[in-house]
Amino acid sequence: AQSVTQLDSQVPVFEEAPVELRCNYSSSVSVYLFWYVQYPNQGLQLLLKYLSGSTLVESINGFEAEFNKSQTSFHLRKPSVHISDTAEYFCAVSGRAYSGAGSYQLTFGKGTKLSVIP
Amino acid sequence: NAGVTQTPKFRVLKTGQSMTLLCAQDMNHEYMYWYRQDPGMGLRLIHYSVGEGTTAKGEVPDGYNVSRLKKQNFLLGLESAAPSQTSVYFCASSYAHGASGGLSYNEQFFGPGTRLTVL
Repeated sequence: AQSVTQLDSQVPVFEEAPVELRCNYSSSVSVYLFWYVQYPNQGLQLLLKYLSGSTLVESINGFEAEFNKSQTSFHLRKPSVHISDTAEYFCAVSGRAYSGAGSYQLTFGKGTKLSVIP
Repeated sequence: NAGVTQTPKFRVLKTGQSMTLLCAQDMNHEYMYWYRQDPGMGLRLIHYSVGEGTTAKGEVPDGYNVSRLKKQNFLLGLESAAPSQTSVYFCASSYAHGASGGLSYNEQFFGPGTRLTVL
């Protein structure tokens, strides 16, 4: 079983300032990690994911996240935020499994609302 | 491609009424999921399906039933709605295929949601 803790429910930040959204997970097996974003009144969209390989993953709109196995963390960062980044961000974990067994379920954190202040 | 669509977008029910939410996907995904989203709770899995004709319970299945008669559709039913089922419901779908080393992973694509109010 897995669990996800997003340490901040709300993060206000001024435009063009850096931001970090924190995510910690617990799992008895190796995991895949995801960040999803939900803009107001919309569904969730995948922002970035860690599956294997490089522990630093990037999105096309300037976000990055680093998988830290020893600290069981997958924090999301952006060096300079824009008004358009205002949204709710969800960290999610899926247990890794070899093909044939599969792992169908994502476990989500409770979300962090990022508010970018002009 | 439309991706994942949900019908209806909004609905208001009285306690005890029944309804069905429809989810459709055109990506030929094997797996489909129903979540509910409540403030401060994140997303919680209600039921999921790993293929046509198969369903399984998630974290919060009580009060809901599902059916997957066609691969592209996943229906969520409320037989007797209760105020505690007031929520935003999201459908998602995914494929699972082998990544490096034969591992499977799960990338889910979400619909726009259905906002349900039970009075």
